[in-house]
Amino acid sequence: QSALTQPRSVSGSPGQSVTISCTGTSSDVGGYNYVSWYQQHPGKAPKLIIYDVSKRPSGVPDRFSGSKSGNTASLTISGLQAEDEADYYCCSYAGSYTWVFGGGTKLTVL
Amino acid sequence: QVQLVESGGGVVQPGGSLRLSCAASGFPFSSYAMHWVRQAPGKGLEWVAFIYYDGSNKYYADSVMGRFTISRDSSKNTLYLHMNSLRADDTAIYYCAKDAGGYDTIDYWGQGTLVTVSS
Repeated sequence: QSALTQPRSVSGSPGQSVTISCTGTSSDVGGYNYVSWYQQHPGKAPKLIIYDVSKRPSGVPDRFSGSKSGNTASLTISGLQAEDEADYYCCSYAGSYTWVFGGGTKLTVL
Repeated sequence: QVQLVESGGGVVQPGGSLRLSCAASGFPFSSYAMHWVRQAPGKGLEWVAFIYYDGSNKYYADSVMGRFTISRDSSKNTLYLHMNSLRADDTAIYYCAKDAGGYDTIDYWGQGTLVTVSS
């Protein structure tokens, strides 16, 4: 149950796009199409923004998109806005009814 | 709308015990599996435990196996986490979270309750 690997931080200017990677193994990210992404603002609970690798819950802007290749999943945020500044976590099903999260990525909007 | 409200957090000495509760509303609680996820101060999220919709099966992270027990009472729409043999590294905000229904994702989270293990 080792944590998935995410970059500690990423940054971008308003209107630009950023991509956050999430690397696991064939036992988690690579083995299932059950990768989720969460946005967490300081002092708040996480919010689901992507599930099943690339699906968006209703109400989440289409500026947020997800993908996966092999053992690495990615979250792309296009048209960056100030309110996107937050921590982002990936999560993957890891088999046998266990889940594993990434270490989190701090997004700074310059 | 889905609401998850945790309670029971506080300060406990190493080796001590604590029971967290999570009151659920806004969805048919007895039809959904549930999770506990924790976040140490300034750190990332860590999945802790999972329970089937009917309580028949329970699963745990290695870090809490044998010390924590997840349970639920559908008559009270409440999820529990019984924590024993607490250690300093169990200090965290504990979130109650709802499974989306396909065991593939967590879709709603509570606001969390802080557990501090310290002498």
